[in-house]
Amino acid sequence: GQQLNQSPQSMFIQEGEDVSMNCTSSSIFNTWLWYKQEPGEGPVLLIALYKAGELTSNGRLTAQFGITRKDSFLNISASIPSDVGIYFCAARAGNNRKLIWGLGTSLAVNP
Amino acid sequence: NAGVTQTPKFQVLKTGQSMTLQCAQDMNHNSMYWYRQDPGMGLRLIYYSASEGTTDKGEVPNGYNVSRLNKREFSLRLESAAPSQTSVYFCASSEGGGPKNIQYFGAGTRLSVL
Repeated sequence: GQQLNQSPQSMFIQEGEDVSMNCTSSSIFNTWLWYKQEPGEGPVLLIALYKAGELTSNGRLTAQFGITRKDSFLNISASIPSDVGIYFCAARAGNNRKLIWGLGTSLAVNP
Repeated sequence: NAGVTQTPKFQVLKTGQSMTLQCAQDMNHNSMYWYRQDPGMGLRLIYYSASEGTTDKGEVPNGYNVSRLNKREFSLRLESAAPSQTSVYFCASSEGGGPKNIQYFGAGTRLSVL
C-alpha cells in the first residue's frame, strides 16, 4: 500500500537539543497530521495542517505543510525527556476517510 | 470522557482459536477504524466503517472480520488465529469524512498467537 517516506527513522539526542523530522511523498495531499505514540499507548494527535504553506505551533512543537503539498516537517525545540516516543506523520487526499501513514521516527532523549 | 476504549488490553491465543476485539467510542463519531501495528511496518488499516451499517476493507483485511454493532461499537474478529496475526491492534474513530476529519485512537490490544 501507499506510504509516506518519513525520516529519520530514529534519533538519539541530548536534552535541550532541537529536533527536526520530515515526511515526503510523490502524491499531493490536502491534510497533513502529526501524531506521537508513547510506549504502551495509542497515537495522539499533536498538530493538524490543512493549507499549503501553513505553519502551526503547539508549545515547543512546530509543523509546516509544504508548499508543494507533497511534504511536511515537524520541529521540536529544546527537547526534554518526556518528548521520548515515536512520531508519525499521516496525510489525506481529498475527503478520503483513510489516512496514509509514515513508518515513524523514534526519538530518544538523553537527560 | 473516555474517548476510544479497547478491550482486552492483552490476549494470548493458540493457533486456530478465535476471539473478538472490542472497541467503543463515546464521542458520537460516525467513522471507526481497525489498524494493526507491527515493528517496522507502521500502522496498517485492516477494516473501517464510514458510518453505522457500513464496513469496507482496508490494506490488510485477510483473516479478519468486523461488525459495526451500532454507532458506538466496532468489533474485530479473528476466526482462526495464526501466528502472523501477532500484533498490536488499534481502534480509532473520527467524525466522518472531510479534510478536517481527525482520527482518535484507543490504547491498543496486544495480541500474541502461539
